[in-house]
Amino acid sequence: TQLLEQSPQFLSIQEGENLTVYCNSSSVFSSLQWYRQEPGEGPVLLVTVVTGGEVKKLKRLTFQFGDARKDSSLHITAAQPGDTGLYLCAGILPGAGSYQLTFGKGTKLSVIP
Amino acid sequence: DAGVTQSPTHLIKTRGQQVTLRCSPKSGHDTVSWYQQALGQGPQFIFQYYEEEERQRGNFPDRFSGHQFPNYSSELNVNALLLGDSALYLCASSSPQSYGDGYTFGSGTRLTVV
Repeated sequence: TQLLEQSPQFLSIQEGENLTVYCNSSSVFSSLQWYRQEPGEGPVLLVTVVTGGEVKKLKRLTFQFGDARKDSSLHITAAQPGDTGLYLCAGILPGAGSYQLTFGKGTKLSVIP
Repeated sequence: DAGVTQSPTHLIKTRGQQVTLRCSPKSGHDTVSWYQQALGQGPQFIFQYYEEEERQRGNFPDRFSGHQFPNYSSELNVNALLLGDSALYLCASSSPQSYGDGYTFGSGTRLTVV
């Protein structure tokens, strides 16, 4: 059973469109991170959210952490071909001595020029 | 400023062999974590090393072992390789000061077991 479920699994859109990807869990996380990974590379951190209800913006990307800290979303406005990649959400479970990142399977985004 | 460096980048091994992967953390980071990413999957946590000790371990068998050196670099060893061990192995570094800033990942070592 996957602790973090990401949807959709695949997304192909035209340049200029908007999109939202989701990261859901039945577990509470102390923090949640979004990464983007390109083929043959390691994940690159986009944002960390720690407070329930928190919204963070990074240029055309908007990240939201759910009030109950069980889910998150990533919204991209006016997608560009450079946004193409695998978007991974990853969370850290609460508790002392908890350091591991638990990842979802990712959303593979293709932005067509 | 060098990021996380992993070597080798690619490796082909035969079933039953042993392999050692290496990682140098980002400058200023003292904690190293290892992840396994199978094709089409998200990374899975193997273990984390801090102060030369294994601090936390994921759900991986004892065939997977590691080490951290005084300069904070780390090795991942896998014994008795299975076909299912074929994956991208990622090293991630962090420090207590940058804990909330996430982890810095290397580009990984692509291991193929034949």
